[in-house]
This record gives sequence, structure tokens and C-alpha cells, in this order.
Amino acid sequence: KNQVEQSPQSLIILEGKNCTLQCNYTVSPFSNLRWYKQDTGRGPVSLTIMTFSENTKSNGRYTATLDADTKQSSLHITASQLSDSASYICVVSERSSSASKIIFGSGTRLSIRP
Amino acid sequence: EPEVTQTPSHQVTQMGQEVILRCVPISNHLYFYWYRQILGQKVEFLVSFYNNEISEKSEIFDDQFSVERPDGSNFTLKIRSTKLEDSAMYFCASSQDIGLNSPLHFGNGTRLTVT
Repeated sequence: KNQVEQSPQSLIILEGKNCTLQCNYTVSPFSNLRWYKQDTGRGPVSLTIMTFSENTKSNGRYTATLDADTKQSSLHITASQLSDSASYICVVSERSSSASKIIFGSGTRLSIRP
Repeated sequence: EPEVTQTPSHQVTQMGQEVILRCVPISNHLYFYWYRQILGQKVEFLVSFYNNEISEKSEIFDDQFSVERPDGSNFTLKIRSTKLEDSAMYFCASSQDIGLNSPLHFGNGTRLTVT
């Protein structure tokens, strides 16, 4: 069964520190992997997208990596800010035109403390 | 930047009542979706809509649910007879295409509370 697992479930760090969030998936055949940021009470917003051939993608202080062989991805946040407090969701798409083949992880709840 | 808008932001209804959740997708997008997120759980796919018809639906999207695009801008989700377990955030999303370079653009959701 296609699954997306994220760790840790939650994380608290001090403002200014770096952190790395993990995503493991079993989705096959793989098409792409996206990281979304979801602020409390809001809809998810796309941060990065990576395909099979891409190892890393940056968006400002966010850097995502992908190892398609081990089916792992990470999202690294540099010099965290209070506004980074949110849930970060890993979303993996199966190679298909089907919307139901877009698999959401449960997210990592990140809290930045001043 | 264009965005998906949803109304209302919060809806409280009694069990057995009908609710209609409304969405205005981004204007040049062709694919529309409804997702739900029960508190503390992951986002779940409900239905996708293209060319004025449902293209796909999940097991959750049973006969109590229906979608409509009544005009050129609105996209609605109707729950005919709400149950307590329908309480969740309902997100509308749209995309230009269903392919690789077309991320889902989500609205800010409607929080549905069934009492």
C-alpha cells in the first residue's frame, strides 16, 4: 500500500536554530514529491517540488532533498523564524493522472520558540 | 497572487442537516478538488472535478456528498445529511493541470462542526 511517513511528529526549536524534517515513502511508481507548509487554520501552501532526477531544491531558507533510491526526503530549515511555526506536510504523487494517487503524510508540527 | 477562496470559514450545523460549502477556484484553473482534514489527522482526498463532471472520488465520498459547479466561478460541496463524524476542515483546491508542474492551490478551508 502506498504510504508516506513523516518524522518527528512534532518538534520545538529555538528561534535562529536549524532543523531537519524527514519523510519516508513507499509510493510506486514515483512521480514527484512536494513539501507543503500549513499554518494553523489555513490551507497548505506548496514550498518545493522534486522529481525523480532532482536531489535538492531550495526555496529561500527551505532546502528539500530527495533520495529516490532509499525513498527518503528531508526538509531543512535554516535560521528559523517565529513565522516558521506550522505543520510541514510531505506529499508524494504516484506516476498517474489520478488525483487519488496524491498521498499526504501526517505532517510534522514545528514550533519555534523565541 | 490569485488565490482559492472558501466560504464560510466556519459552519456549525446540527446532525441530519444539509450543508453547502462554497469555493471560488483560481480563475484559469481547470481541475478542482475537495479534501478534508479531521482534527489532528492527515489531509484526505474526497473528490476531483474536471470538465463539469466528477473525474474521481474516494471511498469517503459516499451518496451523502455531491459537488457542483453551478456557474463559471463557484464550486460547491454539499453534504446532504450531516453526521457527527463529518466534523472536519474541508479544503477546496484547484490546479491548472493535473501534471507535474501544477501544484494544488488550497483555500483556507471551512471548519465544519456537526453537533
